[in-house]
Amino acid sequence: GQNIDQPTEMTATEGAIVQINCTYQTSGFNGLFWYQQHAGEAPTFLSYNVLDGLEEKGRFSSFLSRSKGYSYLLLKELQMKDSASYLCAAMDSNYQLIWGAGTKLIIKP
Amino acid sequence: GAVVSQHPSWVICKSGTSVKIECRSLDFQATTMFWYRQFPKQSLMLMATSNEGSKATYEQGVEKDKFLINHASLTLSTLTVTSAHPEDSSFYICSARGQGRDTGELFFGEGSRLTVL
Repeated sequence: GQNIDQPTEMTATEGAIVQINCTYQTSGFNGLFWYQQHAGEAPTFLSYNVLDGLEEKGRFSSFLSRSKGYSYLLLKELQMKDSASYLCAAMDSNYQLIWGAGTKLIIKP
Repeated sequence: GAVVSQHPSWVICKSGTSVKIECRSLDFQATTMFWYRQFPKQSLMLMATSNEGSKATYEQGVEKDKFLINHASLTLSTLTVTSAHPEDSSFYICSARGQGRDTGELFFGEGSRLTVL
């Protein structure tokens, strides 16, 4: 079956760095997405990886290892506004997104 | 980036009534739109995929007669929750993938929070 695993909740300190991991198992693979979702709001796109390696975009970076079925989202210089849920989603061979349950990130001062 | 607008943002209705939610792509043509439901503290659950000009494809366990989807144009898809009941109370979100978008990036509407009394 198809499955996405990511931690339920993480806590970090303002100004610090946090890494949110995601492992996936899908029928075929057409890329890995990360979305940010604040409470009560729709998700917003953060990153897309289809090739192995690290993609950096400002304070956020995303890494993919296709052979390991593994990705992580790295958030640097954490700000209070980064408190949100982070959703990992893998696209299968039918271009359907398989969603993880999300990781709730709590930032403390 | 592309903009998807969803309306209404909030709706409260009585049990047994029907509610229509609209999803519009404002600056691009969306050949495919997706409807999700999200319960508190849970992930997005895909309900159905709608393709312009054809019938929607529903996920297993989603009642097509209860959740009517219409994708009559390249910029508008609607979800109608018919004979709504309290258990249908949820956050409904649409997303769209436009023509020629190779990455498959989805653009989400703002979401519609439905409360059925």
